[in-house]
Amino acid sequence: GAGVSQSPSNKVTEKGKDVELRCDPISGHTALYWYRQSLGQGLEFLIYFQGNSAPDKSGLPSDRFSAERTGGSVSTLTIQRTQQEDSAVYLCASSQGGEPTYEQYFGPGTRLTVT
Amino acid sequence: GQNIDQPTEMTATEGAIVQINCTYQTSGFNGLFWYQQHAGEAPTFLSYNVLDGLEEKGRFSSFLSRSKGYSYLLLKELQMKDSASYLCAVRPFYGGSQGNLIFGKGTKLSVKP
Repeated sequence: GAGVSQSPSNKVTEKGKDVELRCDPISGHTALYWYRQSLGQGLEFLIYFQGNSAPDKSGLPSDRFSAERTGGSVSTLTIQRTQQEDSAVYLCASSQGGEPTYEQYFGPGTRLTVT
Repeated sequence: GQNIDQPTEMTATEGAIVQINCTYQTSGFNGLFWYQQHAGEAPTFLSYNVLDGLEEKGRFSSFLSRSKGYSYLLLKELQMKDSASYLCAVRPFYGGSQGNLIFGKGTKLSVKP
């Protein structure tokens, strides 16, 4: 079946612009995660959605970052007034549920470059 | 705080065995994961340990000692395609609204002929 998909695969934007990154999780997966991976750094947790529960936003680095998940499926990560330090690969993952026994399946990522 | 340490780089020879270590200090523990990530690609799941001991899956095995905050990934009969980064990750929280993983920076493994 189809895996996690993300769009765009690459995004170059000017400092100060807003960007939207999209994630389509695996059908039926109730849990969705956003991470980012900067050069030479480990994956950094951003936000987690599980079913109809309030999202865990504890990893968002600033109030310029926000995310929503419509209808329990597609998710959009929005970065407002982008800064150069926002340049990274943004990875989305989904899993069947929130329990740790459920494997997280990652999408191919969106490479964001802020110039 | 949350801290996960693993070596930055390792080199091994095709056909050999390599062990990648991971130590962690987290506020809680609800499972440790190993992921493989080839350059420019998404991480893919390798293993999950929540109880002490060794989990074997083909050429790959993963070990956990919760009392020592320690895990290792063992790769046997190395192949060139095993050249990749190996990510150690811990889930510190139990269910509910906190399901994220804390990742180490990854170990870049280079397999030489």
